[in-house]
Amino acid sequence: QKEVEQNSGPLSVPEGAIASLNCTYSDRGSQSFFWYRQYSGKSPELIMSIYSNGDKEDGRFTAQLNKASQYVSLLIRDSQPSDSATYLCAVNKSGGGADGLTFGKGTHLIIQP
Amino acid sequence: ETGVTQSPTHLIKTRGQQVTLRCSSQSGHNTVSWYQQALGQGPQFIFQYYREEENGRGNFPPRFSGLQFPNYSSELNVNALELDDSALYLCASSRSGRSADTQYFGPGTRLTVL
Repeated sequence: QKEVEQNSGPLSVPEGAIASLNCTYSDRGSQSFFWYRQYSGKSPELIMSIYSNGDKEDGRFTAQLNKASQYVSLLIRDSQPSDSATYLCAVNKSGGGADGLTFGKGTHLIIQP
Repeated sequence: ETGVTQSPTHLIKTRGQQVTLRCSSQSGHNTVSWYQQALGQGPQFIFQYYREEENGRGNFPPRFSGLQFPNYSSELNVNALELDDSALYLCASSRSGRSADTQYFGPGTRLTVL
């Protein structure tokens, strides 16, 4: 079983709609969860971090965490063409941080004008 | 802009050669992590340096080594380059080595091994 799984897509969403990106992880000891956005040829850029069960909202973005189901999601409201990118889910397993971040392969999101 | 810088931007080497990549961390950050990102894949953790000591390591062979300097900048060295080492190498800095700390990525170094 892969440690962090994401649907690679592409996920195509009309402009103005809600984009829903999902991620599951295998290690129940995981404590910190991050969503990064990566444009083609660029480096990952932090969108959201989440540490506790429930929802966390930041502007048009909402991260959702369910540790019992080992599931993290990212919702993007009012999707814009500039949101077209690969979205990477990252998990930090250990409390000390020494394992680094474990990333999924990313979901390629396309916002159709 | 994260304040994390990397050099060089691009690099072409031949198989068997050695390479050194450099990273300057964001002001106030004492931890640097290195990742390798192959095309179409998520970044893979190579190792982390915290206050000049290797703090953790991923599943990479010993020919991948690193250093962190007193100003918290860091180097990644790769010996005996192989074709599969061709990738985007990312450096990320964070305030400390704790798992909750956000890691901010530099622009990356694109390494091509011929």
